[in-house]
Amino acid sequence: AQSVAQPEDQVNVAEGNPLTVKCTYSVSGNPYLFWYVQYPNRGLQFLLKYITGDNLVKGSYGFEAEFNKSQTSFHLKKPSALVSDSALYFCAVSPLVSGGYNKLIFGAGTRLAVHP
Amino acid sequence: SQTIHQWPATLVQPVGSPLSLECTVEGTSNPNLYWYRQAAGRGLQLLFYSVGIGQISSEVPQNLSASRPQDRQFILSSKKLLLSDSGFYLCAWSVQAGGRTGNTIYFGEGSWLTVV
Repeated sequence: AQSVAQPEDQVNVAEGNPLTVKCTYSVSGNPYLFWYVQYPNRGLQFLLKYITGDNLVKGSYGFEAEFNKSQTSFHLKKPSALVSDSALYFCAVSPLVSGGYNKLIFGAGTRLAVHP
Repeated sequence: SQTIHQWPATLVQPVGSPLSLECTVEGTSNPNLYWYRQAAGRGLQLLFYSVGIGQISSEVPQNLSASRPQDRQFILSSKKLLLSDSGFYLCAWSVQAGGRTGNTIYFGEGSWLTVV
């Protein structure tokens, strides 16, 4: 079965400190991996994705993610957290497409709280 | 650039009443269109997807239906709402997959539905 796990329900970080939001996946073949962010009562915003190539992917708002094939992980990172980064973060994987559409399997989400 | 519009933003409906949520995409042609539901502020569930006009596929059996009367219009409907239909509904779009290309899925701002 293809799945995504976000092992932390919530991550607490002090402003200015580095942050990591963890994601592991289980998918057949080479994965396509995504990170989205959701602010309260808003839709999901695309942050970044890994398709192929460099294992370190840079995205919006200073976020980056590292693809690790041996550990089947795709952790989201930022060198210096801001209070405005506080939001709900979703990791997602795109398995083999069927029927001509993109299917995303989402993790349960991790709530990031950045404290001043 | 492409934009996605979804309305209404909030809706309070009595049990047994009908539902219509509408979504339109601008700036692209022949997109894949999706309806997701987010319950309890966390998990995302794919309800319907469409790869073309009049082509609707359902991921899970439920009290809802979807229609795509025009290329860039996607409608979520119900004839009689249940309490369990309450939730945050998100419309989304992506470029046609045409195979496993890892195309990004872009989300609208969502519609809050409360069934009372």
